[in-house]
Amino acid sequence: GDSVTQMEGPVTLSEEAFLTINCTYTATGYPSLFWYVQYPGEGLQLLLKATKADDKGSNKGFEATYRKETTSFHLEKGSVQVSDSAVYFCALSPVTNSGYALNFGKGTSLLVTP
Amino acid sequence: GAVVSQHPSWVICKSGTSVKIECRSLDFQATTMFWYRQFPKQSLMLMATSNEGSKATYEQGVEKDKFLINHASLTLSTLTVTSAHPEDSSFYICSARDSGNTGELFFGEGSRLTVL
Repeated sequence: GDSVTQMEGPVTLSEEAFLTINCTYTATGYPSLFWYVQYPGEGLQLLLKATKADDKGSNKGFEATYRKETTSFHLEKGSVQVSDSAVYFCALSPVTNSGYALNFGKGTSLLVTP
Repeated sequence: GAVVSQHPSWVICKSGTSVKIECRSLDFQATTMFWYRQFPKQSLMLMATSNEGSKATYEQGVEKDKFLINHASLTLSTLTVTSAHPEDSSFYICSARDSGNTGELFFGEGSRLTVL
């Protein structure tokens, strides 16, 4: 079935460092891809999404490009801040705006130090 | 933005008792809600899809008689863990899909269940 694999954490970076969190997927058809973020003590929040190949999702300085040829959706940010410390989940859905649930990766914990 | 509220956020119960967890969409209607279970350092595993006014659809391996789901209104779904045992201890997360134009999914803060 459809699945998502993301790099294991924890990832520890200094403030202003470059961030990459790898995510690859396995799916039939053309899924939609998402990155969710979970800050300590809070629920998951949608960070960005892409619904078709070559789409780039972006939000709050984070970016991810839907690469069909490599089945990847890596999350990047050029300069992380302490406030970016959270757990990041890559996810896919067979179809958007439907009754389909999301399949999640295991999550990658990011800690940014001053 | 849209909010999904779960209650309780934290519960401890004795083995053999039942625990009910509520999931409410506070400012939108959700005909579909999803219940996930998350183990430490693991992914969110989909347990069931809850549809308003009809029976829930359970994922393979999830006992429907143990995890009772009721979606009686467009803003409320409940998960009842019946005859709980220590192995049911986990973090349970609900998500609700906005039935309006966006169809976006919103997540609750999660409910941590500890069974003694």
